[in-house]
Amino acid sequence: EPEVTQTPSHQVTQMGQEVILRCVPISNHLYFYWYRQILGQKVEFLVSFYNNEISEKSEIFDDQFSVERPDGSNFTLKIRSTKLEDSAMYFCASSTRDRANDGYTFGSGTRLTVV
Amino acid sequence: GQNIDQPTEMTATEGAIVQINCTYQTSGFNGLFWYQQHAGEAPTFLSYNVLDGLEEKGRFSSFLSRSKGYSYLLLKELQMKDSASYLCAGYNNAGNMLTFGGGTRLMVKP
Repeated sequence: EPEVTQTPSHQVTQMGQEVILRCVPISNHLYFYWYRQILGQKVEFLVSFYNNEISEKSEIFDDQFSVERPDGSNFTLKIRSTKLEDSAMYFCASSTRDRANDGYTFGSGTRLTVV
Repeated sequence: GQNIDQPTEMTATEGAIVQINCTYQTSGFNGLFWYQQHAGEAPTFLSYNVLDGLEEKGRFSSFLSRSKGYSYLLLKELQMKDSASYLCAGYNNAGNMLTFGGGTRLMVKP
C-alpha cells in the first residue's frame, strides 16, 4: 500500500537553529499538508499546499515556518529559528481530490526536540 | 468556533462493542473523519461521513447527524489491537483542513 515517508524520524536541535523536515507524499496525490502534535495534545493543522503554493495556513504557521516542494517528489517544512515550544511530532500528509473516500494519508512523523 | 469534544478515555472488554461519541460546534465543517492512532504513530484513516446516517466498514461503523453536531464511531467484536486513540476530526472543505478533537484513548481488556 502506498505510504507517505518522512525523514528523519527523530531530530534534536538547539534552540535558535534551523531545521528542515522532509516528506515524500504519495506519488499521485495532489494536496500536501503539515500537522503537528505536541506531546499529550491534539493534532493541529499547520499548512496545506496545492499547485505549488500554500492554500491555507493556521495561526501557528508564522514567519518562522516555510514549506517548499523543491522537486517532483519531496515536500519540506522549514523552521528558521526553533523555539522550545516547537518540540512536537510533525506529521506530513497527502491526499487526492477524493478526500471523502481516500481520506488523508499521514506519514509516520518526525519527532522534533528543541533543547 | 470549531470545537470538537470527545471523551478522554474509555475502557471496554475484548469481544464487546464500544461506541465513541463526538460532538462539534462548527460553522464550517463539511464532513467528519475518524482516525485511529496508536501511541507514537501516525493517524490512520478509518471513515468519513458527509451525509447523515451510518457508514459501515467491517467491524467499524461511523454515524453522523449534522443537525445535532454529533457523530459516533462504533467498534464491534473488540480485539486487543484496537487499544489506541480514536480521533474525531471535522473537515473544512473551503480550507481543505482537518480540525481534530483531543482523541479518545480506548483500552481493551481481556
